[in-house]
Amino acid sequence: DAKTTQPTSMDCAEGRAANLPCNHSTISGNEYVYWYRQIHSQGPQYIIHGLKNNETNEMASLIITEDRKSSTLILPHATLRDTAVYYCIVREGRGGGTSYGKLTFGQGTILTVHP
Amino acid sequence: DTAVSQTPKYLVTQMGNDKSIKCEQNLGHDTMYWYKQDSKKFLKIMFSYNNKELIINETVPNRFSPKSPDKAHLNLHINSLELGDSAVYFCASSPFSRSSYEQYFGPGTRLTVT
Repeated sequence: DAKTTQPTSMDCAEGRAANLPCNHSTISGNEYVYWYRQIHSQGPQYIIHGLKNNETNEMASLIITEDRKSSTLILPHATLRDTAVYYCIVREGRGGGTSYGKLTFGQGTILTVHP
Repeated sequence: DTAVSQTPKYLVTQMGNDKSIKCEQNLGHDTMYWYKQDSKKFLKIMFSYNNKELIINETVPNRFSPKSPDKAHLNLHINSLELGDSAVYFCASSPFSRSSYEQYFGPGTRLTVT
């Protein structure tokens, strides 16, 4: 699986958009970009994923650059409950494949949302 | 409704003991996982089972033995516990299909070995 690089930490004011960047310059054609987050003392939670098109769901938006070497997770209106570690993961294919669903977590970005 | 549950939530034990952590999912998923999160907060996969069959074993010591009595349960048994085994252990599950993307994680079991 391709390696990802994320900033160690970021701050965001409550109610503002939080934009979390991720670099994945070695991503290959069949690899997806996944985002998970881990709120303190809880298990990781899936947020969103994408291959090459921008994606949006009820939690966030994912913007992937045209060359797919980087992406940005956008939380449109951050709340205090969005304070967490956010992980950008690049993984081959879908549920099957040689990785069989294995997620490789990096250090992630600690997002702190303040009042 | 708890999707992925783990017991116990906390486990404190002494070196050399044998202990088990249980995991159950009620999502009807085929695939289950064990992850370990150490004191530096790195989260690493240990095992993956698909329909009771081991499919991923990430160079975990033989003292760790997962057991899957059915596809809704994946238990982790640890023999001869060592100080370095202290960590938070997370169970997860996902559907095993070409259209599946997300894994659902349990709340974690904090293991402390003294």
